[in-house]
Amino acid sequence: SQWGEENLQALSIQEGEDVTMNCSYKTYTTVVQWYRQKSGKGPALIILIRSNEREKRSGRLRATLDTSSQSSSLSITGTLATDTAVYFCAPGAGSFNKLTFGAGTRLAVCP
Amino acid sequence: DPKIIQKPKYLVAVTGSEKILICEQYLGHNAMYWYRQSAKKPLEFMFSYSYQKLMDNQTASSRFQPQSSKKNHLDLQITALKPDDSATYFCASSQEGRNSDYTFGSGTRLLVI
Repeated sequence: SQWGEENLQALSIQEGEDVTMNCSYKTYTTVVQWYRQKSGKGPALIILIRSNEREKRSGRLRATLDTSSQSSSLSITGTLATDTAVYFCAPGAGSFNKLTFGAGTRLAVCP
Repeated sequence: DPKIIQKPKYLVAVTGSEKILICEQYLGHNAMYWYRQSAKKPLEFMFSYSYQKLMDNQTASSRFQPQSSKKNHLDLQITALKPDDSATYFCASSQEGRNSDYTFGSGTRLLVI
């Protein structure tokens, strides 16, 4: 799982498998954003979940948020090789919309 | 079409020189940011601007100076370059407001030799 100061996590799976990535954060937030960064590109938002949602789906993606334990998860079902990327969680901003990113999870999906 | 344009894509600089990284966004956003990413550190927040005004600066060194000549521009001037400045610099933008999501550019990869 990701944490503020943890080293980059790495996962390697076969195409078609399901995967879940976890994220813990330190500061209270009502929103967690998940970003995906592919090689040579900037991060891109893939799902945003708010505290009143508990679970949110977008295609093969599913995010959960537990504000009581200050944790969030991102699941990808039926992974594809194109899901290979680094995934970051970013707890919602503080007083002025500043996103702080964790070390991320490097996911490699092998065809 | 890219919504955030960063130029140049790659940049090689000599130690001690000065460079300017360009960022333009065409999303109509009023907040812009700079982040740095290197092998040693994950995405690291540097600056945030709102309506062309500096809102937050987490960069210890004054060698890094953001410049906003237009509301959709936020360039980054780096002086007295050091090899440790080698990294990919990302520009991002968002609507101002709590918990808005960010759109990132593709980055400028800087190598200081």
